[in-house]
Amino acid sequence: NAGVTQTPKFRILKIGQSMTLQCTQDMNHNYMYWYRQDPGMGLKLIYYSVGAGITDKGEVPNGYNVSRSTTEDFPLRLELAAPSQTSVYFCASSTRAGNTEAFFGQGTRLTVV
Amino acid sequence: DQQVKQNSPSLSVQEGRISILNCDYTNSMFDYFLWYKKYPAEGPTFLISISSIKDKNEDGRFTVFLNKSAKHLSLHIVPSQPGDSAVYFCAASALKKDDKIIFGKGTRLHILP
Repeated sequence: NAGVTQTPKFRILKIGQSMTLQCTQDMNHNYMYWYRQDPGMGLKLIYYSVGAGITDKGEVPNGYNVSRSTTEDFPLRLELAAPSQTSVYFCASSTRAGNTEAFFGQGTRLTVV
Repeated sequence: DQQVKQNSPSLSVQEGRISILNCDYTNSMFDYFLWYKKYPAEGPTFLISISSIKDKNEDGRFTVFLNKSAKHLSLHIVPSQPGDSAVYFCAASALKKDDKIIFGKGTRLHILP
C-alpha cells in the first residue's frame, strides 16, 4: 500500500541548476499539494492542484512550477536553484481540501550550494 | 501574515500527565481544523480534526477543543506517553471556499520520563 511516494529522498544542487521533484499517489485523490518546511518553521504551501489539469499558487510559489497531467502525478520543478530553496519538501494528497485527512509523502531534503 | 499560529515552539510534559497544545487562527473563513503529528525524517500524519459546527472532538487519548469566538483551538493528550514526543502541527481550511490547508509552525512536544 504505497500511498504518496516522493523521489528522490535527498538531493544536493548547485546554484542555477534545475531539477524536478517527483510525487505520485495511488489513492485516486483529486487534491494534491506541495509544501516546504524550513528549519524551525511550519509547512508552507507552494502549489496545489484540485484535479488533473488544474493547478494554483499557494503561499510561496516563486521559483517553482508544477503540472498535473494525470490524477496520480504532481511533479514540482525548480528551474534556477537558489540557496533560499534549501528545505525539506513534502507532497500530500487528499480526497478534497480540508475535511479529509491529507496523506503525506516522506519528504525530499534538498540542499542548494 | 500568519493565518494559523502556534505560539509555543516547544513543550515538555511529564509522562502520564496531560499535554495541552494551543493554536490560534485569524481567518474567520476557516471552518475545518486538523492536527498532524510529525516524527523526524517522516512526513506528517493526520491525528484528529474538528468542524466549526462542533466545539469538541475526542478520539481515544486525544481531544480537540474549538472556541470559535476566540479563534482558538487546543489539543489535549491524556495521559501523555513517550511515543507522543513529536512535532504537532495545527492546520485549517475554509471548506465553503473548497480551499487549501494552511499549517502553523508546529510545537515540539517532549514527554519526560
